[in-house]
Amino acid sequence: QKEVEQNSGPLSVPEGAIASLNCTYSDRVSQSFFWYRQYSGKSPELIMSIYSNGDKEDGRFTAQLNKASQYVSLLIRDSQPSDSATYLCAVNRAGGYQKVTFGIGTKLQVIP
Amino acid sequence: KAGVTQTPRYLIKTRGQQVTLSCSPISGHRSVSWYQQTPGQGLQFLFEYFSETQRNKGNFPGRFSGRQFSNSRSEMNVSTLELGDSALYLCASSLGSGSYNEQFFGPGTRLTVL
Repeated sequence: QKEVEQNSGPLSVPEGAIASLNCTYSDRVSQSFFWYRQYSGKSPELIMSIYSNGDKEDGRFTAQLNKASQYVSLLIRDSQPSDSATYLCAVNRAGGYQKVTFGIGTKLQVIP
Repeated sequence: KAGVTQTPRYLIKTRGQQVTLSCSPISGHRSVSWYQQTPGQGLQFLFEYFSETQRNKGNFPGRFSGRQFSNSRSEMNVSTLELGDSALYLCASSLGSGSYNEQFFGPGTRLTVL
C-alpha cells in the first residue's frame, strides 16, 4: 500500500463546475497535509495547508480533512481552464523534522 | 521577498560523472529539503537539512549526498551518475523543521544523464 494515494486521472470537468480531488494516506501519525498545484514543466506551488479535521476555505479552494478516515480532499469551485494542472497531495508525519510524502498527483482538465 | 532559487536550471552529464546542484532558500528560511521527480515515481524525498545538519534522509543510495552552509544555502551532490538519475531535482525551503512548516519549491534543476 502506498503511503499517499491519489487517482492519477485525468479528471475532466466542465468550466464552472466543482472539481473534487481526493487523497488517502496510510500513516496514522500524520499531522499536516498540503495541496500543491503543478503546471506542466513547472515546479509545485503550494495552494493549501490543513492541520485539523474539518474544512478550510481559501477563495475558490476548500481543503477537507478527516483523520479518522485518513482522507483529505480539495474542492475547486467555479473551475477555470487555468486550473488545468496536476494536483499533488502531500503528507507530513509527526516529529521534529520534515518527512513529506507526496502522492503521484491527479491531473485535472477543465474543459471550456 | 525573493523565492527559492536553484542553479543550474539544466544539466547534461554522462554516466559515471558527478554533479553538484545548488539551492538558495527564501530569506529567513532555515530548512531545505531535496526531492527527485520522475514521471514514473513522482516526487521522492531525498533529504532535509536544518541548521547545517541533515535531519532526515529518504531511501536513496549513498551516491546522493548534500550539505547546508551557515547561510542556509544547500548543495546536493550525485556521484557516479547512472541513466536512472535523469530527473527534475527540486529543493524546497521552509521556516523551520517539523510537521507544521509549509514548504516552498524552487524552479528545479533538470538533469539529463546520457
